[in-house]
Amino acid sequence: GENVEQHPSTLSVQEGDSAVIKCTYSDSASNYFPWYKQELGKRPQLIIDIRSNVGEKKDQRIAVTLNKTAKHFSLHITETQPEDSAVYFCAASTTSGTYKYIFGTGTRLKVLA
Amino acid sequence: DSGVTQTPKHLITATGQRVTLRCSPRSGDLSVYWYQQSLDQGLQFLIQYYNGEERAKGNILERFSAQQFPDLHSELNLSSLELGDSALYFCASSKSGQGYQETQYFGPGTRLLVL
Repeated sequence: GENVEQHPSTLSVQEGDSAVIKCTYSDSASNYFPWYKQELGKRPQLIIDIRSNVGEKKDQRIAVTLNKTAKHFSLHITETQPEDSAVYFCAASTTSGTYKYIFGTGTRLKVLA
Repeated sequence: DSGVTQTPKHLITATGQRVTLRCSPRSGDLSVYWYQQSLDQGLQFLIQYYNGEERAKGNILERFSAQQFPDLHSELNLSSLELGDSALYFCASSKSGQGYQETQYFGPGTRLLVL
Protein backbone atom coordinates (compact mmCIF):
# COMPACT_ATOMS: atom_id res chain seq x y z
CA GLY A 1 0.00 0.00 0.00
CA GLU A 2 0.98 3.62 -0.02
CA ASN A 3 3.33 4.88 2.62
CA VAL A 4 5.39 7.92 3.51
CA GLU A 5 8.77 7.53 5.19
CA GLN A 6 10.08 10.43 7.22
CA HIS A 7 13.61 11.00 8.54
CA PRO A 8 15.05 11.69 10.99
CA SER A 9 12.71 10.80 13.84
CA THR A 10 14.48 13.26 16.14
CA LEU A 11 16.67 16.24 15.32
CA SER A 12 18.53 18.59 17.63
CA VAL A 13 20.07 21.79 16.29
CA GLN A 14 21.62 24.86 17.82
CA GLU A 15 19.61 28.05 17.67
CA GLY A 16 20.40 29.85 14.43
CA ASP A 17 21.37 26.69 12.56
CA SER A 18 19.33 25.11 9.78
CA ALA A 19 17.17 21.99 10.05
CA VAL A 20 16.23 19.64 7.24
CA ILE A 21 13.57 16.93 7.38
CA LYS A 22 13.12 14.49 4.51
CA CYS A 23 10.16 12.43 3.33
CA THR A 24 9.82 9.79 0.66
CA TYR A 25 6.47 8.72 -0.76
CA SER A 26 5.45 5.64 -2.71
CA ASP A 27 2.36 6.66 -4.70
CA SER A 28 3.55 8.18 -7.97
CA ALA A 29 0.11 9.80 -8.38
CA SER A 30 0.58 11.89 -5.21
CA ASN A 31 0.47 15.54 -6.15
CA TYR A 32 0.01 17.51 -2.95
CA PHE A 33 2.46 17.57 -0.06
CA PRO A 34 1.61 19.52 3.09
CA TRP A 35 3.78 19.92 6.17
CA TYR A 36 2.27 20.24 9.62
CA LYS A 37 3.79 21.45 12.87
CA GLN A 38 2.44 20.04 16.10
CA GLU A 39 3.35 21.49 19.46
CA LEU A 40 2.94 19.33 22.52
CA GLY A 41 -0.71 18.50 23.14
CA LYS A 42 -1.94 20.78 20.37
CA ARG A 43 -3.43 20.37 16.93
CA PRO A 44 -1.31 19.85 13.83
CA GLN A 45 -1.08 23.17 12.00
CA LEU A 46 -0.27 23.58 8.35
CA ILE A 47 2.98 25.50 7.91
CA ILE A 48 3.66 25.09 4.22
CA ASP A 49 2.56 22.95 1.31
CA ILE A 50 3.70 22.25 -2.22
CA ARG A 51 1.94 21.04 -5.30
CA SER A 52 3.43 18.70 -7.83
CA ASN A 53 3.80 21.29 -10.56
CA VAL A 54 6.28 23.23 -8.42
CA GLY A 55 9.80 22.26 -7.39
CA GLU A 56 10.31 24.63 -4.48
CA LYS A 57 8.31 26.96 -2.31
CA LYS A 58 9.48 29.42 0.35
CA ASP A 59 7.75 31.24 3.14
CA GLN A 60 10.17 33.36 5.18
CA ARG A 61 12.42 30.94 7.09
CA ILE A 62 10.65 27.83 5.81
CA ALA A 63 11.06 26.18 2.43
CA VAL A 64 9.94 22.92 0.88
CA THR A 65 11.53 21.20 -2.09
CA LEU A 66 10.01 18.44 -4.20
CA ASN A 67 11.75 15.91 -6.43
CA LYS A 68 9.00 14.04 -8.26
CA THR A 69 11.38 11.72 -10.07
CA ALA A 70 12.89 10.47 -6.84
CA LYS A 71 9.55 10.76 -5.02
CA HIS A 72 10.89 12.74 -2.14
CA PHE A 73 10.32 16.12 -0.59
CA SER A 74 12.06 18.02 2.17
CA LEU A 75 11.35 20.74 4.71
CA HIS A 76 14.08 23.29 5.33
CA ILE A 77 14.01 25.64 8.30
CA THR A 78 16.70 28.31 8.41
CA GLU A 79 17.82 30.45 11.36
CA THR A 80 16.05 28.14 13.77
CA GLN A 81 14.55 29.58 16.94
CA PRO A 82 13.47 27.87 20.19
CA GLU A 83 9.81 28.30 19.18
CA ASP A 84 10.48 26.06 16.18
CA SER A 85 10.77 23.15 18.62
CA ALA A 86 7.85 20.82 17.85
CA VAL A 87 6.97 17.63 15.98
CA TYR A 88 6.81 18.06 12.22
CA PHE A 89 4.73 15.78 10.01
CA CYS A 90 4.91 15.47 6.27
CA ALA A 91 2.01 14.09 4.25
CA ALA A 92 1.35 13.05 0.69
CA SER A 93 -2.00 12.96 -1.01
CA THR A 94 -2.99 9.66 -2.51
CA THR A 95 -5.78 8.75 -4.86
CA SER A 96 -5.84 5.02 -4.30
CA GLY A 97 -9.52 4.24 -3.89
CA THR A 98 -10.25 7.77 -2.83
CA TYR A 99 -8.38 10.94 -2.09
CA LYS A 100 -6.73 11.09 1.31
CA TYR A 101 -3.47 11.94 3.02
CA ILE A 102 -0.82 9.51 4.17
CA PHE A 103 1.21 11.04 6.99
CA GLY A 104 4.85 10.42 7.80
CA THR A 105 5.77 9.25 11.28
CA GLY A 106 6.92 12.66 12.46
CA THR A 107 10.20 14.37 13.37
CA ARG A 108 10.73 15.80 16.82
CA LEU A 109 12.80 18.94 16.37
CA LYS A 110 14.61 20.46 19.35
CA VAL A 111 16.21 23.84 18.95
CA LEU A 112 18.81 24.36 21.67
CA ALA A 113 19.27 27.90 22.93
CA ASP B 1 -7.79 28.86 15.37
CA SER B 2 -8.55 26.61 12.38
CA GLY B 3 -12.34 26.98 12.61
CA VAL B 4 -12.76 23.26 13.34
CA THR B 5 -14.24 22.55 16.76
CA GLN B 6 -14.21 19.36 18.78
CA THR B 7 -15.91 18.39 22.01
CA PRO B 8 -15.19 17.32 24.62
CA LYS B 9 -11.56 18.38 25.13
CA HIS B 10 -10.92 15.60 27.60
CA LEU B 11 -12.70 12.35 28.34
CA ILE B 12 -11.91 9.82 31.05
CA THR B 13 -13.78 6.55 31.03
CA ALA B 14 -13.44 2.89 31.96
CA THR B 15 -12.74 -0.18 29.89
CA GLY B 16 -15.81 -1.64 28.23
CA GLN B 17 -17.59 1.71 28.02
CA ARG B 18 -18.77 3.63 24.99
CA VAL B 19 -18.06 7.28 24.18
CA THR B 20 -18.98 9.74 21.45
CA LEU B 21 -16.67 12.41 20.15
CA ARG B 22 -18.07 15.35 18.25
CA CYS B 23 -16.61 17.51 15.49
CA SER B 24 -17.89 20.57 13.65
CA PRO B 25 -16.05 21.39 10.42
CA ARG B 26 -15.07 24.82 9.19
CA SER B 27 -17.91 26.79 7.68
CA GLY B 28 -18.39 25.65 4.09
CA ASP B 29 -16.30 22.48 4.39
CA LEU B 30 -18.09 19.31 3.33
CA SER B 31 -15.51 16.68 4.28
CA VAL B 32 -14.59 15.50 7.75
CA TYR B 33 -11.68 13.21 8.55
CA TRP B 34 -10.97 11.41 11.82
CA TYR B 35 -7.46 10.58 13.02
CA GLN B 36 -6.09 8.78 16.05
CA GLN B 37 -2.79 9.79 17.60
CA SER B 38 -1.42 7.57 20.35
CA LEU B 39 1.33 8.78 22.68
CA ASP B 40 4.36 9.86 20.70
CA GLN B 41 2.91 8.34 17.55
CA GLY B 42 1.96 9.61 14.17
CA LEU B 43 -1.48 10.39 12.82
CA GLN B 44 -3.46 7.30 11.90
CA PHE B 45 -6.27 7.98 9.47
CA LEU B 46 -9.51 6.37 10.62
CA ILE B 47 -12.33 7.45 8.34
CA GLN B 48 -13.58 10.22 6.06
CA TYR B 49 -17.09 11.50 5.48
CA TYR B 50 -18.16 13.74 2.64
CA ASN B 51 -21.51 15.49 2.70
CA GLY B 52 -23.05 12.84 4.91
CA GLU B 53 -21.63 9.78 3.21
CA GLU B 54 -18.66 7.62 4.06
CA ARG B 55 -15.90 8.33 1.55
CA ALA B 56 -12.81 6.47 2.75
CA LYS B 57 -11.82 4.06 5.49
CA GLY B 58 -8.44 3.69 7.07
CA ASN B 59 -7.30 1.70 10.07
CA ILE B 60 -10.59 1.92 11.88
CA LEU B 61 -11.51 -0.88 14.27
CA GLU B 62 -14.90 -2.56 14.03
CA ARG B 63 -15.64 -1.28 17.55
CA PHE B 64 -15.45 2.27 16.17
CA SER B 65 -18.00 3.91 13.92
CA ALA B 66 -18.72 7.39 12.69
CA GLN B 67 -21.38 9.39 10.96
CA GLN B 68 -21.86 12.83 9.47
CA PHE B 69 -25.16 14.61 9.97
CA PRO B 70 -27.13 16.89 7.60
CA ASP B 71 -25.64 19.96 9.31
CA LEU B 72 -22.21 18.43 8.49
CA HIS B 73 -21.05 17.88 12.03
CA SER B 74 -19.63 14.45 12.64
CA GLU B 75 -19.51 12.04 15.54
CA LEU B 76 -17.03 9.26 16.21
CA ASN B 77 -18.38 6.47 18.39
CA LEU B 78 -15.94 4.27 20.27
CA SER B 79 -17.36 1.21 22.00
CA SER B 80 -16.11 -1.67 24.16
CA LEU B 81 -13.20 0.57 25.03
CA GLU B 82 -9.81 -0.92 25.80
CA LEU B 83 -6.78 0.60 27.50
CA GLY B 84 -5.06 0.82 24.13
CA ASP B 85 -7.75 3.16 22.81
CA SER B 86 -6.35 5.93 25.00
CA ALA B 87 -5.17 8.55 22.53
CA LEU B 88 -5.72 11.98 21.07
CA TYR B 89 -8.50 11.93 18.50
CA PHE B 90 -8.41 14.68 15.90
CA CYS B 91 -10.88 15.59 13.29
CA ALA B 92 -10.00 17.66 10.25
CA SER B 93 -12.08 19.21 7.53
CA SER B 94 -11.59 20.24 3.94
CA LYS B 95 -13.67 21.92 1.28
CA SER B 96 -14.85 18.96 -0.72
CA GLY B 97 -12.58 15.98 -0.06
CA GLN B 98 -12.53 15.39 -3.79
CA GLY B 99 -9.82 17.74 -4.91
CA TYR B 100 -6.37 16.28 -5.12
CA GLN B 101 -4.72 19.30 -3.62
CA GLU B 102 -6.93 20.22 -0.73
CA THR B 103 -5.68 21.38 2.62
CA GLN B 104 -7.05 19.70 5.72
CA TYR B 105 -7.55 21.87 8.81
CA PHE B 106 -7.37 20.16 12.17
CA GLY B 107 -9.49 20.66 15.25
CA PRO B 108 -7.97 20.91 18.76
CA GLY B 109 -8.50 17.21 19.47
CA THR B 110 -10.20 15.16 22.16
CA ARG B 111 -7.91 13.46 24.65
CA LEU B 112 -9.37 10.11 25.64
CA LEU B 113 -8.11 8.24 28.65
CA VAL B 114 -9.40 4.73 29.26
CA LEU B 115 -8.76 3.42 32.78
